[in-house]
This record gives sequence, structure tokens and C-alpha cells, in this order.
Amino acid sequence: NAGVTQTPKFQVLKTGQSMTLQCAQDMNHNSMYWYRQDPGMGLRLIYYSASEGTTDKGEVPNGYNVSRLNKREFSLRLESAAPSQTSVYFCASSEVSDEQFFGPGTRLTVL
Amino acid sequence: AQSVTQPDIHITVSEGASLELRCNYSYGATPYLFWYVQSPGQGLQLLLKYFSGDTLVQGIKGFEAEFKRSQSSFNLRKPSVHWSDAAEYFCAVATSNDYKLSFGAGTTVTVRA
Repeated sequence: NAGVTQTPKFQVLKTGQSMTLQCAQDMNHNSMYWYRQDPGMGLRLIYYSASEGTTDKGEVPNGYNVSRLNKREFSLRLESAAPSQTSVYFCASSEVSDEQFFGPGTRLTVL
Repeated sequence: AQSVTQPDIHITVSEGASLELRCNYSYGATPYLFWYVQSPGQGLQLLLKYFSGDTLVQGIKGFEAEFKRSQSSFNLRKPSVHWSDAAEYFCAVATSNDYKLSFGAGTTVTVRA
């Protein structure tokens, strides 16, 4: 039982490049989330998926897109990376009205 | 929209001493409240949660928190800290409508020998 897994663990991009962050959970949770963590700002919600087939914007969605591929997988795409997107990205999953379980994070640097 | 304030950015405590981390939330109805801990380079781990019922909640690693509606607070406590408690601690609130979490900015705890 791996919980929530994220790939890659580290990534360096140049401005304008694109990439997709992958997230998978094996807990059969309906809801999945993407956050970014920046120093002194806690975690901010980028997008979430309350259930398979639905996605909604969170607090800071600009510059990102998401895909809920199936119940297990929820990917985050940066179409044209910018230095302001340098951050640590966390994926999480939960059942509605219960605690969220977090992945180990992806550390992204955009030069 | 709900929000969370953690007034202390950084706390230093001696090993064996007690620890209290403050958390204040803003939300009109009864919130769902959480405390998470993040060790360096790691993801977040749930320490405890409050949904309803007894306002004193026990968590893992010897932590407890008390929900005080009149003060809109959910402070985290530990009677005797260990060096392994050095980490960043996040308070979070969710609503009964959509269960999205809003996090505080976090409190970094340093434990000195």
C-alpha cells in the first residue's frame, strides 16, 4: 500500500517549457487535490477533483491545467513554465469529509 | 471564505519542555479543523483532527488540541517535546460544504538540547 505517489521528485525547467506532474493513489479515494507550497505561505490549492470526471479551480489555478485520468490518477500540467511557478507541489487524496493524505512532493525549479 | 492564522512563524523550545502552537480560524459555521506536521523534505502527516464532539482532541506522537469556539481557536499542545518534534506545523480548516482545506502559513519548531 503505497498511499499517494508523485513523479518526478525533482525537476528543473527553462522558462516556456512544459511538463506534467503525475499523481496516483491506491486508497480508492474519490477526491484528489494539487497544492503548491511556497515559503511563508503554507499550502495553496491549485485544482481539485471531487470525484472522477470532475475538476475545479482552487485558489491559484492560473498557468496550470489538470486531468483526472481515472479514479487513481490526477495530473497537473504546466503549459509554459514561468519562474513564478518555482515551488514544491503536493498531491493529496481523501474521501469527502475526511483527512487528506499527501504525497512526498515534487520540487520544481523554473529558470 | 474560510481562513487560518498561525501567529507564530518560528518557536524554539528546549527538549523536555512543553509546546503550544496557536491557530485561529475564520469561518461562520462549525469548521473541520486539522493539524499537520511536515518534517524537512517530506510530505504532510496528519497529527489530529476535529469534526465535532469532545473539544479536546488527542492525536499521534503525544499531541493534543483544544477547539474553542468562543475564541475561534484550535491550539496544539504537547507536554514534553522530543528532538524529533522539530518540524513545521500547519493548521488547516475545511468547511462542511466542499471539504477543501485552507492552510495557515505554518509554524517552524526548533528543539534545542
